[in-house]
Amino acid sequence: NAGVTQTPKFRVLKTGQSMTLLCAQDMNHEYMYWYRQDPGMGLRLIHYSVGEGTTAKGEVPDGYNVSRLKKQNFLLGLESAAPSQTSVYFCASSYPPEGYTFGSGTRLTVV
Amino acid sequence: TQLLEQSPQFLSIQEGENLTVYCNSSSVFSSLQWYRQEPGEGPVLLVTVVTGGEVKKLKRLTFQFGDARKDSSLHITAAQPGDTGLYLCAGVALGNYQLIWGAGTKLIIKP
Repeated sequence: NAGVTQTPKFRVLKTGQSMTLLCAQDMNHEYMYWYRQDPGMGLRLIHYSVGEGTTAKGEVPDGYNVSRLKKQNFLLGLESAAPSQTSVYFCASSYPPEGYTFGSGTRLTVV
Repeated sequence: TQLLEQSPQFLSIQEGENLTVYCNSSSVFSSLQWYRQEPGEGPVLLVTVVTGGEVKKLKRLTFQFGDARKDSSLHITAAQPGDTGLYLCAGVALGNYQLIWGAGTKLIIKP
């Protein structure tokens, strides 16, 4: 049982480049989330989705876009990367009110 | 804005000692979740407490939800090096399924 799979695991981008982070879950969860985790800042919600075709902004959405075209996939896009977006990104899914299942993260460095 | 304050932020103790981590808020939560995160991995759900005053045990870990459902504690008895990690609490907001995250407690257990 794979759970939540994130790709890639590591990436280095130059300022201004774009990229898409992929998240896939095989648990048939309705809800999916993108977080970033920075030292001393904890987990901060970027965007989330409560079902296929829906997305909503979280706490820190600026500079990111998301899409949920299929129930099992949630994509996070950076159109023009900035050094402030250097972080570890986590995808999670859930079937409320049960707890979240997280992926193993993507470590992104923007230089 | 709902906040969840976690303390201490950092704890380094010897193997065999006991410790308690606290999560406090002025807000009432419908439930509270505890996660453990190891380096390079995503958080993993340990337990969910739902009822005020509820106590749950997971081997040497004891979780308690406050009577008023505003706070929670995690007590570890006879800590082992394998308990090392980042412990995160997350409160489920009333009326929706949004998680309010604590900043985490970094725990190091020295052999």
